[in-house]
Amino acid sequence: QKEVEQNSGPLSVPEGAIASLNCTYSDRGSQSFFWYRQYSGKSPELIMSIYSNGDKEDGRFTAQLNKASQYVSLLIRDSQPSDSATYLCAVNRVNTGFQKLVFGTGTRLLVSP
Amino acid sequence: DGGITQSPKYLFRKEGQNVTLSCEQNLNHDAMYWYRQDPGQGLRLIYYSQIVNDFQKGDIAEGYSVSREKKESFPLTVTSAQKNPTAFYLCASSIDFGGRGYNEQFFGPGTRLTVL
Repeated sequence: QKEVEQNSGPLSVPEGAIASLNCTYSDRGSQSFFWYRQYSGKSPELIMSIYSNGDKEDGRFTAQLNKASQYVSLLIRDSQPSDSATYLCAVNRVNTGFQKLVFGTGTRLLVSP
Repeated sequence: DGGITQSPKYLFRKEGQNVTLSCEQNLNHDAMYWYRQDPGQGLRLIYYSQIVNDFQKGDIAEGYSVSREKKESFPLTVTSAQKNPTAFYLCASSIDFGGRGYNEQFFGPGTRLTVL
């Protein structure tokens, strides 16, 4: 079992729709969860971080965390073609005081005009 | 204008050569990291440094070396011992290495290394 799992996609949604991206993780001790956006050929960009169960909203983005079920999701409202990218989920793993981030392989999102 | 810079953007290397990738940050972050990204795979940690003059191996350190002589700089050397060096190399930094909210990692633009 991978430490962090994401559906590779592509997830295709029409412009204006809600895109829902999901991520599951295996380490119950994880405390920090991150979503990165990566455009083709570019480096990852941090778009959301979440540390507590529930929802966290920032503009069109909402991160949802459920530690009991070990999943974290990202909702993108009013999806735009510019949101087309690969979204990486990252989860921390504490190892001798150092918080290592473990990354999923990413979900590719395609937003069609 | 704070951020992380990496150079060069593209690098071509002949087999048997060592090459050094540069990473500089002016965010005053204590922790710095090197990752490697291959198609279809997640980011894999090569080395990390929590503080100046200290660094630790990550998951795939074989064939790589680093130094951390200054807070701002964390260069990565890809040695000839690295069997499959062609990849996208990403440098990142965070305020520090632990504590809730403090390990948000920010990435530089990356260096794409190709071995000819």
